[in-house]
Amino acid sequence: GAVVSQHPSWVICKSGTSVKIECRSLDFQATTMFWYRQFPKQSLMLMATSNEGSKATYEQGVEKDKFLINHASLTLSTLTVTSAHPEDSSFYICSASPRDRGPAYEQYFGPGTRLTVT
Amino acid sequence: QQQVKQSPQSLIVQKGGISIINCAYENTAFDYFPWYQQFPGKGPALLIAIRPDVSEKKEGRFTISFNKSAKQFSLHIMDSQPGDSATYFCAASMSGGSNYKLTFGKGTLLTVNP
Repeated sequence: GAVVSQHPSWVICKSGTSVKIECRSLDFQATTMFWYRQFPKQSLMLMATSNEGSKATYEQGVEKDKFLINHASLTLSTLTVTSAHPEDSSFYICSASPRDRGPAYEQYFGPGTRLTVT
Repeated sequence: QQQVKQSPQSLIVQKGGISIINCAYENTAFDYFPWYQQFPGKGPALLIAIRPDVSEKKEGRFTISFNKSAKQFSLHIMDSQPGDSATYFCAASMSGGSNYKLTFGKGTLLTVNP
């Protein structure tokens, strides 16, 4: 249980194009979903927090116009990297806090999406 | 300002040995302390977590020890196995907050030699 999926698992795109990454909680409803970015051999860096039906809250230094987050339902959040550049290449990971199972402060992570911008 | 300090950065242990990873936090409002295990190319998986009302929690070979006065907590992996080789992250959050943001340590790369 407490499964979070991400799609796609990896994507290669050309500089200047936009890429959408989906995050779904498969067997629970998510109160809150989080988006992280992770560089090789580094820790997870929180990018933004989103609640269903509300605007996302972005961490300091994260460009909200570049990283668009849509929390469309209690089981789906999307991250769109707009006008991607090579420096946006990274491992993007989402997590979800359960609404209807276990403590809401637990976070379950997706498998991650490897983005490479050429 | 790093709010959760994790050590060591890397750790090499022989099969069957005990792996110990330590974390220290600064924010006394933190009251939820999970440990995550991450394999290369994968997302982190929740391993074990503790609340400050207990000083120790054990699940199989994994034990969290928690010292509230010292603001420290540690992960002990007993009988370490090569399959335990991964990066381990400690984290902390406030369970009473509205969004439960996790603050992560920098991670420990554990290698268990056969």
